[in-house]
Amino acid sequence: DAGVIQSPRHEVTEMGQEVTLRCKPISGHDYLFWYRQTMMRGLELLIYFNNNVPIDDSGMPEDRFSAKMPNASFSTLKIQPSEPRDSAVYFCASSGRGRGETQYFGPGTRLLVL
Amino acid sequence: QKEVEQDPGPLSVPEGAIVSLNCTYSNSAFQYFMWYRQYSRKGPELLMYTYSSGNKEDGRFTAQVDKSSKYISLFIRDSQPSDSATYLCAMIDRGTGRRALTFGSGTRLQVQP
Repeated sequence: DAGVIQSPRHEVTEMGQEVTLRCKPISGHDYLFWYRQTMMRGLELLIYFNNNVPIDDSGMPEDRFSAKMPNASFSTLKIQPSEPRDSAVYFCASSGRGRGETQYFGPGTRLLVL
Repeated sequence: QKEVEQDPGPLSVPEGAIVSLNCTYSNSAFQYFMWYRQYSRKGPELLMYTYSSGNKEDGRFTAQVDKSSKYISLFIRDSQPSDSATYLCAMIDRGTGRRALTFGSGTRLQVQP
């Protein structure tokens, strides 16, 4: 299995621009999670989906952030407009039945907003 | 106060040493406890997974959970330079039905050859 796939791996953009991060979960997994990691706040959950339905978006910082999961094999996290304080590493993770709470993480997208 | 507290380190040890990594938590409802390892510029990968109190061993790694003290530990025996990474504890309260993990801030470990 290829594992969780994220793109792009690096993104540099200017303040005010729209940023779209993409994730392909492990095939057969029915949970998908978006996390953000910063030095100050560590690893924080933004939102998670079950069977493509958003279950908990309480970690989404504000309306500038939105996430979608149109099908079982694809999810996006969008920031519009982006701000310098959004600079972080964004991770996607997935988990499935039979593996308890094990979440498998992707390699992350390193975002820098100038 | 954070729900999960973890000493950020860095922790530097010589090769072959026994390493002890720890987390404390405040939510007594946490039931499942995990340790993730994260190499620089990589995603976290699961190392150990335990349910409730007790010990679990896997090769050179031992995870301990003491729910009465709200304290979990990861021990690494015969540490190797390849163990140099950040170690994150994580836990979950399934009683709420929520599947989200709560992470510690991570401890950076350096094993010197």
